[in-house]
Amino acid sequence: AQTVTQSQPEMSVQEAETVTLSCTYDTSESDYYLFWYKQPPSRQMILVIRQEAYKQQNATENRFSVNFQKAAKSFSLKISDSQLGDAAMYFCASGGGSEKLVFGKGTKLTVNP
Amino acid sequence: KAGVTQTPRYLIKTRGQQVTLSCSPISGHRSVSWYQQTPGQGLQFLFEYFSETQRNKGNFPGRFSGRQFSNSRSEMNVSTLELGDSALYLCASSLDPLAAQYFGPGTRLTVL
Repeated sequence: AQTVTQSQPEMSVQEAETVTLSCTYDTSESDYYLFWYKQPPSRQMILVIRQEAYKQQNATENRFSVNFQKAAKSFSLKISDSQLGDAAMYFCASGGGSEKLVFGKGTKLTVNP
Repeated sequence: KAGVTQTPRYLIKTRGQQVTLSCSPISGHRSVSWYQQTPGQGLQFLFEYFSETQRNKGNFPGRFSGRQFSNSRSEMNVSTLELGDSALYLCASSLDPLAAQYFGPGTRLTVL
């Protein structure tokens, strides 16, 4: 069975600085995908970034980038130049093959002005 | 392109009643997944449908059921509601099961 672990229940960052959110996963699938989703307070879940496991190159989406370490089964999210609007719950997820999408418990990110 | 829509957005029911939630996926998306989100348990997978077939099912009792129609719209039903069923129910759609999922705003169900 797949598992996704986010070891940081809460994180905080100063506006304009950089923060890294951690995620580790375990899967028996050889072909799988990893995701980071963002859920602002009382708002909709939004896809932040997607990484195909077969790609060695780390995915990047504007200020958001990942550090994908396949051997270590680690998939961290780096947010650069943090903005107040980045404050949200961030969920790491893993899925693929015949497996359903499995989410971590989430990391609550606070951005301080 | 319109996003995932879920109806109703809010629902209040009493124990023992049943409820049906609806999800309309993004146009062209054939895969629909349902999740239950609670503060204590986080996001828990309920089921996944692709082309009207249930592809995966989570560890929920048989009171939770779902279906998908030929136009990819999906419904989930919860019978004999319990207090613990109070949650935000999220629907997500994707082009296929391996593609990124896009979430709807959710239906907040309160069971009294």
